[in-house]
Amino acid sequence: EDQVTQSPEALRLQEGESSSLNCSYTVSGLRGLFWYRQDPGKGPEFLFTLYSAGEEKEKERLKATLTKKESFLHITAPKPEDSATYLCAVQPPFQGAQKLVFGQGTRLTINP
Amino acid sequence: EAGVTQSPTHLIKTRGQQATLRCSPISGHTSVYWYQQALGLGLQFLLWYDEGEERNRGNFPPRFSGRQFPNYSSELNVNALELEDSALYLCASSFPETQYFGPGTRLLVL
Repeated sequence: EDQVTQSPEALRLQEGESSSLNCSYTVSGLRGLFWYRQDPGKGPEFLFTLYSAGEEKEKERLKATLTKKESFLHITAPKPEDSATYLCAVQPPFQGAQKLVFGQGTRLTINP
Repeated sequence: EAGVTQSPTHLIKTRGQQATLRCSPISGHTSVYWYQQALGLGLQFLLWYDEGEERNRGNFPPRFSGRQFPNYSSELNVNALELEDSALYLCASSFPETQYFGPGTRLLVL
């Protein structure tokens, strides 16, 4: 069964303190790995898609990387507005199986 | 460009009633997905519609159903509501692979 595990469940950082969030997955083949940001009571906001090991994507203070079994979301010099839950999801390989399998998320809090 | 829209934003029902949730995809997107996010749980895949057809279904009972209209908007129906159906219901649309989510409908079953 396809599974996605995110760690840590929650992370508190001081403003400017860089860190990384982890997403490990077990899926037989991978069509894509997605990162989303979700604010309380709102829908997930798309951040990145990664397709192959070694791929990296950047957006402002965020950088996502992908290996064969896990992905990291690196946050550099975060600001309080980066506080949110970050969700990782994988898309299984079978044609027609367009569903995303989500992890439980990492709740990130940046203190000023 | 307008994003995915959902209505209503909040819905309160009592156990045994039926709920209807609506979703309009981003213009040009033909696929619509429904997910359930219950408190403390991750997003669980419910249904996928494409070109008016149901293409895939998650592990949910048959009382969760839906349809997609010719304009690609979609409706999710939940019959015989149970207390554990209380959740945030999220709709997403995609073209071609990346799914973009709406703001959700918060369903409360009393």
